[in-house]
Amino acid sequence: QKEVEQNSGPLSVPEGAIASLNCTYSDRVSQSFFWYRQYSGKSPELIMSIYSNGDKEDGRFTAQLNKASQYVSLLIRDSQPSDSATYLCAVRRISGGYNKLIFGAGTRLAVHP
Amino acid sequence: GAGVSQSPSNKVTEKGKDVELRCDPISGHTALYWYRQSLGQGLEFLIYFQGNSAPDKSGLPSDRFSAERTGGSVSTLTIQRTQQEDSAVYLCASSPGAGVSTDTQYFGPGTRLTVL
Repeated sequence: QKEVEQNSGPLSVPEGAIASLNCTYSDRVSQSFFWYRQYSGKSPELIMSIYSNGDKEDGRFTAQLNKASQYVSLLIRDSQPSDSATYLCAVRRISGGYNKLIFGAGTRLAVHP
Repeated sequence: GAGVSQSPSNKVTEKGKDVELRCDPISGHTALYWYRQSLGQGLEFLIYFQGNSAPDKSGLPSDRFSAERTGGSVSTLTIQRTQQEDSAVYLCASSPGAGVSTDTQYFGPGTRLTVL
């Protein structure tokens, strides 16, 4: 089992719809979770971080965290073609004083007009 | 302010040659990370520096890979005797520092390495 799992997609949604991206993680003690967006040929950029159970909203983006189910998701409302990218879920692992992010393989989102 | 910068942006080398990749983190960031991303794949952690502490080298795939960070700022990733499977985009990230649960990593533009 991978430490962070995502459906590779592609997830195809029509413009204006809600895109739902899901991520599960295996380490129960994880406390910090991140969503990065990566356009083709570009480096990842941070969209959202979430640390507590529940929802966190920022503009058209909502991150949802359920630690009991070890599940984190990203909702994109009113999807636009410019949202088409790969979305990477990352979980922070802190061990022995070291601190690193473990990334999922990413979900490719395609928003079509 | 300036973000993370990396050089070169592209590097083409022949199998067996050594290469050096450079990363300049965001000023004031104490933590620096190197990742590798093969075509169509996720990010693979390579190495992590935090201040003056010993680096976490647990992700380095072989002893051909090494990295150093001078003066707590600029970092160089060195790959010796490159192999074709080393071809990938090498990404550097920096963050304000560990020990803070909200610590966030910011990525540079990457170096695309092609080994012929």
